This record gives sequence, C-alpha cells and structure tokens, in this order.
Amino acid sequence: DGGITQSPKYLFRKEGQNVTLSCEQNLNHDAMYWYRQDPGQGLRLIYYSQIVNDFQKGDIAEGYSVSREKKESFPLTVTSAQKNPTAFYLCASKQPGEVADTQYFGPGTRLTVL
Amino acid sequence: AQSVTQLDSHVSVSEGTPVLLRCNYSSSYSPSLFWYVQHPNKGLQLLLKYTSAATLVKGINGFEAEFKKSETSFHLTKPSAHMSDAAEYFCVVSFQTGANNLFFGTGTRLTVIP
Repeated sequence: DGGITQSPKYLFRKEGQNVTLSCEQNLNHDAMYWYRQDPGQGLRLIYYSQIVNDFQKGDIAEGYSVSREKKESFPLTVTSAQKNPTAFYLCASKQPGEVADTQYFGPGTRLTVL
Repeated sequence: AQSVTQLDSHVSVSEGTPVLLRCNYSSSYSPSLFWYVQHPNKGLQLLLKYTSAATLVKGINGFEAEFKKSETSFHLTKPSAHMSDAAEYFCVVSFQTGANNLFFGTGTRLTVIP
C-alpha cells in the first residue's frame, strides 16, 4: 500500500524536552510538508521540503527543526523553544510541479505537553 | 492578497437532508481549489478538486462542488446527509505563486442529527 505514516499517534512531553515526530512516505514524492493544527485555526505550515537535503521555513517555524536526509523521511523536532507545542501535527507529501497536484496527508500525531 | 474563507464554523443538518458548506476565496490569480474532510484524530482526505476544467466537480461519497468565478466561491454540497458525513471539512486554495502555495480555510464542523 502506498501512503504516509506518522508515529507515534499520541505523544506526551514534559516541559523543557525536545521530541521528534516521524513522517515516512512511500509515494515517491519529492515534496513533504509539516503542518500544525489547532482548534478553529485550520492548518498552519511549519516547514516544507521540495527535495532531499533542502527545506524551507513555513509560517510558524520558530521552535521547530527538520531534516531531509532521505526522500521518504521528513522528521520534525519540537524543541523546548516552542512555547505552546500542544497541538495536532500533520505531515503531507506531493509531487511538485503542478499547482493542482494533491497533497496527501498522514494520520497525524497528537502532542501534549504535561 | 490571497485568502480563503469558510463562512460557517459549524453546520448542523438532519440525516437525509441536503448539506451546504460555503467557501469563498480571494485571489488575483486563477486558483485550484480543494475540499478535504477530516474525521476526529485522523489525517485529511481529499474529497474533490477543481483544476480549471469543468466548473461542477464531483467527488467521493456523493459530494460535489461548483466553482463560480463571478462569486469567487466553491461551495460543497451533498443532496442527502448520512451519519458518516459528520466530520470537519476544509476548503483549500492553491495559487500559482511560491514553492508552497496552499491556503487552508479554518474549517467547518458538520454535525448530522439522526
């Protein structure tokens, strides 16, 4: 089956800790994205990567970091600098080039800071 | 400036009655438009998309949407609501600018009353 997997589904973190959220895709897509979702605010873009070894900040990158060492993997680290990290995090991928190309989403990771 | 507005944060319908979820966009460019559905604690699933072909677009699960350029709208409809349609719906607009050009509406939560 082709798709995007995110792990873990639920994650709990103590204040001051860094945590890394996993995102893997086997769709052979070049572009991958991380979004944060808060109630009533839709999705906001954290980071995106158009190609391996390259990534760009989105609208709310502060307190987050990413890497793109492999085409199929785009992990997101939520650092202790992120002041309000409790949210639902969604990873997506697509093949860039066409405006109308669809982004495919993973099932999400819900992060809660205790 | 580009933007997308979902006019209702919450819509409630009775099972078997029509569904109308409203979406308006603002753009200087010709957009591509998408509707995604999200069930609780799940990722986003594509319902349908408009890509400058037919203005009436049919999607999965009996949903359809009509692109009206004169009204800058892309409202989502379904003739008869089913209990399984209860979810959050996002209108998403893609503009031909930048490497990542998806703009998400804030979502409409659909409740279906038995």
